[in-house]
Amino acid sequence: GQQLNQSPQSMFIQEGEDVSMNCTSSSIFNTWLWYKQDPGEGPVLLIALYKAGELTSNGRLTAQFGITRKDSFLNISASIPSDVGIYFCAGQPPDGGSQGNLIFGKGTKLSVKP
Amino acid sequence: NAGVMQNPRHLVRRRGQEARLRCSPMKGHSHVYWYRQLPEEGLKFMVYLQKENIIDESGMPKERFSAEFPKEGPSILRIQQVVRGDSTAYFCASSPGLGLNGYTFGSGTRLTVV
Repeated sequence: GQQLNQSPQSMFIQEGEDVSMNCTSSSIFNTWLWYKQDPGEGPVLLIALYKAGELTSNGRLTAQFGITRKDSFLNISASIPSDVGIYFCAGQPPDGGSQGNLIFGKGTKLSVKP
Repeated sequence: NAGVMQNPRHLVRRRGQEARLRCSPMKGHSHVYWYRQLPEEGLKFMVYLQKENIIDESGMPKERFSAEFPKEGPSILRIQQVVRGDSTAYFCASSPGLGLNGYTFGSGTRLTVV
């Protein structure tokens, strides 16, 4: 089945640093989504990308839908402590299954540097 | 305007018992999706339902798992004869229609099988 390879698996941040993570796939996707999940909660949508090449910002977050439709990245600028959590990329394949079926990456866990 | 409501938040069952997880979609949403979060994995799609119809159950295990979304009341994910491997977090999402507009996740039900 289709898979999303998300990297890095985990990273440590210091307040004020910029953060970057990405997702790649061997097959194309029609839509890329980036979610954040806090402990004990469900994923919350951060950014949705619908067109190849699209670059979208949401406050300190910026995400891009790769031209090949097989990748996407998420950048967080000037990180703050509340950015800690798990970030997931998700994609919707072209056939869409039922158009509701999202495929998720394994997540990038952001922690604060000790 | 309440979000997607899942209950219970935590459910403990002994091996062999049945688990029933409930999901009330957001007001005005008639599409419900169930996912489970496997260890070290992102969310895995299980099933997509509309009122009284299963649209896509391609992610449902072949045995012991079933889902429904009756005309009245919440959507139910039922796991019969639970085993320890069923212990994980189950999330539901809802949307107002086809596509990803308004696609919103609940806070999940954490199932523990003892």
